[in-house]
Amino acid sequence: DAGITQSPRYKITETGRQVTLMCHQTWSHSYMFWYRQDLGHGLRLIYYSAAADITDKGEVPDGYVVSRSKTENFPLTLESATRSQTSVYFCASSPVASGYTFGSGTRLTVV
Amino acid sequence: AQTVTQSQPEMSVQEAETVTLSCTYDTSESDYYLFWYKQPPSRQMILVIRQEAYKQQNATENRFSVNFQKAAKSFSLKISDSQLGDAAMYFCAPWGDQGGKLIFGQGTELSVKP
Repeated sequence: DAGITQSPRYKITETGRQVTLMCHQTWSHSYMFWYRQDLGHGLRLIYYSAAADITDKGEVPDGYVVSRSKTENFPLTLESATRSQTSVYFCASSPVASGYTFGSGTRLTVV
Repeated sequence: AQTVTQSQPEMSVQEAETVTLSCTYDTSESDYYLFWYKQPPSRQMILVIRQEAYKQQNATENRFSVNFQKAAKSFSLKISDSQLGDAAMYFCAPWGDQGGKLIFGQGTELSVKP
């Protein structure tokens, strides 16, 4: 199916564990983004990518790692999860100027 | 850097009435776009409307329209004939600064009363 898919939809993990959130898009959009959404903060940009093998930090990158070896995939890894990383994570893609398309989000709980 | 301010954390409107959500922004870009996104309880982010800054004409999409004041850096969203399904969080987001990043406002939660 065409679109942007995030997995898993829900995830519970323990403090200190590594966890990877997946994002896959089928349009070959150049740009991909990771946001986190927390009450009182709206959506904040974690990392973004302008093309395969090109990534850059956003507003809140600490504690996160990204890679983009293929245009269609943009995984987000929490190297050592902390409770402050409990959030809803959104992936988005864009062909630049026509507006982003978002995935359905991943609700991550760190206990 | 861009900043976005949505000064109304919550708004309420009667079904079939009109409501306007406010947004102001700051950007150093001369050419940019502005977007409104809707997030219903399902949490899916849905693009409502977009405006190109170089266009003087305000964008319209069915019951949704914008009032874009470039000099004032204001970008408000008007929802006409409000429906129960319009109840959601609405985010304003300018685009154009440094590589296509959307910067979001804090959001306005809209409730629609039957």
